[in-house]
Amino acid sequence: GQQLNQSPQSMFIQEGEDVSMNCTSSSIFNTWLWYKQDPGEGPVLLIALYKAGELTSNGRLTAQFGITRKDSFLNISASIPSDVGIYFCAGAVGGSQGNLIFGKGTKLSVKP
Amino acid sequence: EPEVTQTPSHQVTQMGQEVILRCVPISNHLYFYWYRQILGQKVEFLVSFYNNEISEKSEIFDDQFSVERPDGSNFTLKIRSTKLEDSAMYFCASRRSGRIHEQFFGPGTRLTVL
Repeated sequence: GQQLNQSPQSMFIQEGEDVSMNCTSSSIFNTWLWYKQDPGEGPVLLIALYKAGELTSNGRLTAQFGITRKDSFLNISASIPSDVGIYFCAGAVGGSQGNLIFGKGTKLSVKP
Repeated sequence: EPEVTQTPSHQVTQMGQEVILRCVPISNHLYFYWYRQILGQKVEFLVSFYNNEISEKSEIFDDQFSVERPDGSNFTLKIRSTKLEDSAMYFCASRRSGRIHEQFFGPGTRLTVL
């Protein structure tokens, strides 16, 4: 089945640093989404991308939908302690009713 | 801001017992989903539901699982005879029409099968 490869698995950074993570697949996706999950909570939608090449920002977060439609990246600028959590990419193919395929997540730790 | 709610937050059950997990989706949303996340692993799609019927389901969603919208606000997931491997976080999600993949997730129910 379709799989998303998310990297890195974990990151330890200093407060104020920029962060970059990405997701790749051998399959084409029509939609890419980025979610953040805090411990014991459900995933929270950060950014949704619908067109190849699309670059979208949400505050300090920026995400891009790769031109090949097989990848996406998420950047976080000037990280702060509350950025700590697990970031998941998710993709969806055309024709599905919303079946999201999730990556395994990138665990972000921020040292104050 | 409206949000998806789920009850209970934690359910402990004995293997072979039936469990019902409850969700109240966002009130103007029409599409509903269940996902699960085994501890430390990725979130996996179980089923989508629209207009009072299942629109899509995964291989995980076998005959032991069923979903229902018993009234205008609740959306339930029933596991008929739980197995040890059903232990996981179960997330309900909902969305409005249009933005097909912008799903909003509830806080989850942690199911522990002993």
